[in-house]
Amino acid sequence: EAGVAQSPRYKIIEKRQSVAFWCNPISGHATLYWYQQILGQGPKLLIQFQNNGVVDDSQLPKDRFSAERLKGVDSTLKIQPAKLEDSAVYLCASSRAPLGQGTYEQYFGPGTRLTVT
Amino acid sequence: AQSVAQPEDQVNVAEGNPLTVKCTYSVSGNPYLFWYVQYPNRGLQFLLKYITGDNLVKGSYGFEAEFNKSQTSFHLKKPSALVSDSALYFCAVSPRGSNYQLIWGAGTKLIIKP
Repeated sequence: EAGVAQSPRYKIIEKRQSVAFWCNPISGHATLYWYQQILGQGPKLLIQFQNNGVVDDSQLPKDRFSAERLKGVDSTLKIQPAKLEDSAVYLCASSRAPLGQGTYEQYFGPGTRLTVT
Repeated sequence: AQSVAQPEDQVNVAEGNPLTVKCTYSVSGNPYLFWYVQYPNRGLQFLLKYITGDNLVKGSYGFEAEFNKSQTSFHLKKPSALVSDSALYFCAVSPRGSNYQLIWGAGTKLIIKP
């Protein structure tokens, strides 16, 4: 099966500009995650969707970050305006598991490396 | 606070020798346990998981992990290391009832020398 797709792979922007990342999960996967990974650290969950509903966005900086998953498939993550500390790799992951119906591992995309100058 | 510790930033092993990458966790209840690997410029790849049952679980690429409930540890092992095993390894724990969210360790860089 095709893996999780993300684009772009790399993005360089100036602070205060906006940026958007796109993710296409594995077909049939109900749950989608966006993570932020800063160099030398483990991933930090930003938002979790099940189908097109938000399960958890408690760690999403909502004053500048937004995410949506229209129609329960593709998802976009947006940052507006960007700050220097947003420089990181943004990872998208998906999982088969509808919540409460088994324990399935997460499959990750290649990530988008964002540099804010 | 719930946490996952990978006490070694880097592990160096000679090719052909056994390897161990350590992971301990501080999470209530009986969590689900995972190992992922990250190769340079690539996303995270699932290696193996422990849900219940036998304390030794086998995964991809010849890796296995041993769950020890009393020590709250989930160490990753391989009997004979390959140079191609060199990568960044992450331990992750999912508390039951957490909507399957993962608490991640900081990662351990594994270097296999020829």
